[in-house]
Amino acid sequence: DGGITQSPKYLFRKEGQNVTLSCEQNLNHDAMYWYRQDPGQGLRLIYYSQIVNDFQKGDIAEGYSVSREKKESFPLTVTSAQKNPTAFYLCASSTLSELFFGSGTQLSVL
Amino acid sequence: AQSVAQPEDQVNVAEGNPLTVKCTYSVSGNPYLFWYVQYPNRGLQFLLKYITGDNLVKGSYGFEAEFNKSQTSFHLKKPSALVSDSALYFCAVRGLYNNNDMRFGAGTRLTVKP
Repeated sequence: DGGITQSPKYLFRKEGQNVTLSCEQNLNHDAMYWYRQDPGQGLRLIYYSQIVNDFQKGDIAEGYSVSREKKESFPLTVTSAQKNPTAFYLCASSTLSELFFGSGTQLSVL
Repeated sequence: AQSVAQPEDQVNVAEGNPLTVKCTYSVSGNPYLFWYVQYPNRGLQFLLKYITGDNLVKGSYGFEAEFNKSQTSFHLKKPSALVSDSALYFCAVRGLYNNNDMRFGAGTRLTVKP
């Protein structure tokens, strides 16, 4: 099946720990995105990548990092600098006109 | 920069009745407008989009949306609601050239009661 796979579905972070969220797509899309979803706030852009080995900060990049070593993969690391990491994280890829979303990762703090 | 507003946090309708979920937008130039639906603990699913052409856009699952340039609105509609339509609905807008500046509304929770 073609699509975007996010893992894990649920993730727990301890104080001071970095955690990495996985996002893999087999849609052959060049562009990929990470969004954060908080209740009542819609989606906010964290990072995006238009092409392999290139990525740009979105609106709320502080405390996060990404890499784009392969076209299919765009992992997001939530660092210890992110003081309020509890949220639902969505990965997406796009054609020129449309975004396609993964099923999300719920990150919580222990 | 573009933005969208969804003025209602919650919309409740009875099954079989028509439903409307409201969205207004702000963008310089011509807008690309989208509606997405989200079921619990899932990603967003595309419903429909307006880029150009007819003001009435038909999408998935019997939904449609009407683009109104003078009122800067893009309301989502369905003639007869189903209980299974209950979900969180997001309106989104972006400019002409790329998805990097896609902006989402805060979402409207639709509840359809039997």
